[in-house]
Amino acid sequence: DAKTTQPPSMDCAEGRAANLPCNHSTISGNEYVYWYRQIHSQGPQYIIHGLKNNETNEMASLIITEDRKSSTLILPHATLRDTAVYYCIVSQDDYKLSFGAGTTVTVRA
Amino acid sequence: DSGVTQTPKHLITATGQRVTLRCSPRSGDLSVYWYQQSLDQGLQFLIQYYNGEERAKGNILERFSAQQFPDLHSELNLSSLELGDSALYFCASSVDSESNYGYTFGSGTRLTVV
Repeated sequence: DAKTTQPPSMDCAEGRAANLPCNHSTISGNEYVYWYRQIHSQGPQYIIHGLKNNETNEMASLIITEDRKSSTLILPHATLRDTAVYYCIVSQDDYKLSFGAGTTVTVRA
Repeated sequence: DSGVTQTPKHLITATGQRVTLRCSPRSGDLSVYWYQQSLDQGLQFLIQYYNGEERAKGNILERFSAQQFPDLHSELNLSSLELGDSALYFCASSVDSESNYGYTFGSGTRLTVV
Protein backbone atom coordinates (compact mmCIF):
# COMPACT_ATOMS: atom_id res chain seq x y z
CA ASP A 1 0.00 0.00 0.00
CA ALA A 2 1.18 3.54 -0.72
CA LYS A 3 2.63 5.52 2.13
CA THR A 4 1.01 8.76 3.24
CA THR A 5 2.47 11.91 4.75
CA GLN A 6 0.44 14.12 7.06
CA PRO A 7 1.40 17.07 9.25
CA PRO A 8 1.71 15.92 12.87
CA SER A 9 -0.64 18.56 14.22
CA MET A 10 -2.81 21.51 13.37
CA ASP A 11 -5.13 23.92 15.12
CA CYS A 12 -8.47 25.15 13.90
CA ALA A 13 -10.91 27.75 15.17
CA GLU A 14 -14.37 26.58 16.07
CA GLY A 15 -16.86 27.31 13.33
CA ARG A 16 -14.22 27.62 10.66
CA ALA A 17 -13.37 25.10 7.98
CA ALA A 18 -10.54 22.71 8.74
CA ASN A 19 -8.44 21.63 5.78
CA LEU A 20 -6.33 18.55 6.43
CA PRO A 21 -3.71 17.76 3.82
CA CYS A 22 -2.32 14.38 2.91
CA ASN A 23 0.41 13.47 0.45
CA HIS A 24 0.42 10.07 -1.23
CA SER A 25 2.77 10.51 -4.17
CA THR A 26 3.27 6.76 -4.73
CA ILE A 27 -0.42 5.93 -4.97
CA SER A 28 -1.32 3.46 -7.68
CA GLY A 29 -4.35 3.49 -9.93
CA ASN A 30 -6.45 1.02 -7.98
CA GLU A 31 -5.80 2.45 -4.53
CA TYR A 32 -8.44 4.35 -2.63
CA VAL A 33 -7.90 7.23 -0.22
CA TYR A 34 -9.58 6.68 3.14
CA TRP A 35 -9.95 9.05 6.06
CA TYR A 36 -10.63 7.95 9.61
CA ARG A 37 -10.48 9.80 12.89
CA GLN A 38 -9.93 8.71 16.47
CA ILE A 39 -11.21 10.68 19.40
CA HIS A 40 -9.07 10.05 22.47
CA SER A 41 -8.72 6.27 22.81
CA GLN A 42 -12.11 5.57 21.26
CA GLY A 43 -12.36 3.27 18.28
CA PRO A 44 -11.44 4.93 14.97
CA GLN A 45 -14.37 6.33 13.06
CA TYR A 46 -14.73 6.15 9.29
CA ILE A 47 -15.16 9.57 7.69
CA ILE A 48 -14.99 9.27 3.92
CA HIS A 49 -13.14 7.63 1.06
CA GLY A 50 -12.60 8.20 -2.65
CA LEU A 51 -10.77 6.96 -5.71
CA LYS A 52 -10.55 9.77 -8.24
CA ASN A 53 -13.53 12.06 -7.86
CA ASN A 54 -14.16 14.46 -5.05
CA GLU A 55 -16.56 13.11 -2.47
CA THR A 56 -18.86 14.69 0.09
CA ASN A 57 -20.95 13.26 2.87
CA GLU A 58 -22.60 14.55 6.01
CA MET A 59 -19.29 14.65 7.85
CA ALA A 60 -16.76 16.01 5.40
CA SER A 61 -15.56 16.58 1.87
CA LEU A 62 -12.63 14.87 0.21
CA ILE A 63 -10.74 16.67 -2.52
CA ILE A 64 -8.31 14.54 -4.54
CA THR A 65 -5.92 16.21 -6.95
CA GLU A 66 -6.09 15.26 -10.59
CA ASP A 67 -2.78 13.37 -10.42
CA ARG A 68 -4.04 11.69 -7.21
CA LYS A 69 -0.77 12.37 -5.44
CA SER A 70 -2.39 14.36 -2.68
CA SER A 71 -5.75 14.97 -1.10
CA THR A 72 -7.43 17.28 1.39
CA LEU A 73 -10.08 16.44 3.93
CA ILE A 74 -12.36 19.37 4.64
CA LEU A 75 -14.42 19.66 7.81
CA PRO A 76 -16.73 22.50 6.77
CA HIS A 77 -17.62 23.90 10.20
CA ALA A 78 -15.30 22.51 12.86
CA THR A 79 -16.68 22.03 16.35
CA LEU A 80 -14.93 21.20 19.61
CA ARG A 81 -16.10 17.61 19.14
CA ASP A 82 -13.99 17.37 15.98
CA THR A 83 -10.81 17.44 18.09
CA ALA A 84 -9.20 14.10 17.23
CA VAL A 85 -6.38 12.35 15.42
CA TYR A 86 -7.16 12.17 11.70
CA TYR A 87 -5.69 9.37 9.62
CA CYS A 88 -5.23 9.43 5.88
CA ILE A 89 -4.83 5.90 4.50
CA VAL A 90 -4.23 4.69 0.99
CA SER A 91 -5.16 1.13 0.21
CA GLN A 92 -6.40 -0.97 -2.64
CA ASP A 93 -8.37 -3.06 -0.24
CA ASP A 94 -10.79 -2.19 2.47
CA TYR A 95 -9.11 -4.68 4.74
CA LYS A 96 -5.67 -4.45 6.22
CA LEU A 97 -5.77 -0.67 6.41
CA SER A 98 -2.44 0.64 7.69
CA PHE A 99 -2.79 3.54 10.08
CA GLY A 100 0.13 5.94 10.36
CA ALA A 101 0.67 8.61 12.98
CA GLY A 102 -2.07 10.86 11.60
CA THR A 103 -2.68 14.54 12.24
CA THR A 104 -3.72 15.67 15.69
CA VAL A 105 -6.36 18.31 15.11
CA THR A 106 -7.24 20.63 17.97
CA VAL A 107 -10.32 22.77 17.55
CA ARG A 108 -10.19 25.86 19.73
CA ALA A 109 -13.11 27.95 20.92
CA ASP B 1 -22.94 2.99 19.93
CA SER B 2 -21.24 1.85 16.74
CA GLY B 3 -22.96 -1.53 16.70
CA VAL B 4 -19.68 -3.40 17.20
CA THR B 5 -19.52 -4.81 20.72
CA GLN B 6 -16.28 -5.66 22.45
CA THR B 7 -15.92 -7.32 25.82
CA PRO B 8 -14.47 -6.88 28.31
CA LYS B 9 -13.76 -3.14 28.25
CA HIS B 10 -10.86 -3.46 30.65
CA LEU B 11 -8.67 -6.41 31.55
CA ILE B 12 -5.77 -6.61 33.97
CA THR B 13 -3.74 -9.76 34.08
CA ALA B 14 -0.28 -11.01 34.97
CA THR B 15 2.60 -11.92 32.71
CA GLY B 16 2.47 -15.45 31.40
CA GLN B 17 -1.30 -15.62 31.53
CA ARG B 18 -3.78 -16.15 28.71
CA VAL B 19 -6.81 -14.00 27.93
CA THR B 20 -9.65 -14.01 25.41
CA LEU B 21 -11.11 -10.87 23.91
CA ARG B 22 -14.52 -11.04 22.32
CA CYS B 23 -16.09 -9.10 19.48
CA SER B 24 -19.62 -9.11 18.11
CA PRO B 25 -19.79 -7.46 14.70
CA ARG B 26 -22.46 -5.06 13.55
CA SER B 27 -25.60 -6.83 12.41
CA GLY B 28 -25.22 -7.98 8.81
CA ASP B 29 -21.44 -7.57 8.70
CA LEU B 30 -19.49 -10.65 7.66
CA SER B 31 -15.93 -9.40 8.11
CA VAL B 32 -14.17 -8.90 11.41
CA TYR B 33 -10.80 -7.22 11.82
CA TRP B 34 -8.54 -7.03 14.87
CA TYR B 35 -6.17 -4.15 15.56
CA GLN B 36 -3.71 -3.48 18.36
CA GLN B 37 -2.91 0.04 19.50
CA SER B 38 0.00 0.59 21.82
CA LEU B 39 1.61 3.90 22.74
CA ASP B 40 4.75 3.37 20.70
CA GLN B 41 3.34 1.47 17.74
CA GLY B 42 0.09 3.14 16.82
CA LEU B 43 -2.71 1.12 15.27
CA GLN B 44 -1.45 -2.20 13.93
CA PHE B 45 -3.55 -4.57 11.86
CA LEU B 46 -3.50 -8.07 13.31
CA ILE B 47 -5.90 -10.29 11.41
CA GLN B 48 -9.14 -10.40 9.43
CA TYR B 49 -11.85 -13.02 9.20
CA TYR B 50 -14.58 -13.17 6.61
CA ASN B 51 -17.59 -15.39 7.18
CA GLY B 52 -15.63 -17.74 9.41
CA GLU B 53 -12.47 -17.97 7.32
CA GLU B 54 -9.17 -16.20 7.83
CA ARG B 55 -8.85 -13.61 5.07
CA ALA B 56 -5.71 -11.60 5.83
CA LYS B 57 -2.96 -11.62 8.39
CA GLY B 58 -0.90 -8.71 9.59
CA ASN B 59 1.60 -8.30 12.40
CA ILE B 60 0.11 -10.92 14.64
CA LEU B 61 2.44 -12.75 16.99
CA GLU B 62 2.47 -16.53 17.14
CA ARG B 63 1.32 -16.26 20.77
CA PHE B 64 -1.88 -14.67 19.48
CA SER B 65 -4.66 -16.46 17.65
CA ALA B 66 -8.16 -15.63 16.56
CA GLN B 67 -11.24 -17.25 15.17
CA GLN B 68 -14.66 -16.34 13.89
CA PHE B 69 -17.60 -18.50 14.87
CA PRO B 70 -20.71 -19.49 12.86
CA ASP B 71 -22.69 -16.69 14.52
CA LEU B 72 -19.95 -14.36 13.21
CA HIS B 73 -18.65 -13.24 16.57
CA SER B 74 -14.90 -13.38 16.90
CA GLU B 75 -12.42 -14.05 19.66
CA LEU B 76 -8.81 -12.98 19.94
CA ASN B 77 -6.73 -15.21 22.19
CA LEU B 78 -3.55 -13.84 23.68
CA SER B 79 -1.26 -16.26 25.51
CA SER B 80 2.04 -16.16 27.39
CA LEU B 81 1.36 -12.50 27.94
CA GLU B 82 4.25 -10.07 28.23
CA LEU B 83 4.34 -6.53 29.56
CA GLY B 84 4.64 -5.27 25.98
CA ASP B 85 1.28 -6.75 25.10
CA SER B 86 -0.40 -4.04 27.15
CA ALA B 87 -2.44 -2.10 24.62
CA LEU B 88 -5.86 -1.22 23.34
CA TYR B 89 -7.29 -3.97 21.17
CA PHE B 90 -9.91 -2.92 18.67
CA CYS B 91 -12.27 -4.99 16.65
CA ALA B 92 -13.92 -3.67 13.50
CA SER B 93 -16.47 -5.10 11.13
CA SER B 94 -17.66 -4.53 7.59
CA VAL B 95 -20.23 -5.95 5.23
CA ASP B 96 -17.69 -7.85 3.21
CA SER B 97 -14.01 -7.85 2.49
CA GLU B 98 -14.05 -6.26 -0.93
CA SER B 99 -16.80 -3.70 -0.85
CA ASN B 100 -14.37 -0.81 -0.42
CA TYR B 101 -16.58 0.71 2.21
CA GLY B 102 -15.26 2.01 5.46
CA TYR B 103 -15.55 -0.26 8.40
CA THR B 104 -16.92 0.23 11.89
CA PHE B 105 -14.79 -0.05 14.99
CA GLY B 106 -15.81 -1.09 18.46
CA SER B 107 -14.82 0.84 21.56
CA GLY B 108 -11.93 -1.48 22.31
CA THR B 109 -10.58 -3.62 25.14
CA ARG B 110 -7.84 -2.08 27.24
CA LEU B 111 -5.44 -4.83 28.28
CA THR B 112 -2.95 -4.20 31.05
CA VAL B 113 -0.32 -6.84 31.72
CA VAL B 114 1.40 -6.47 35.09
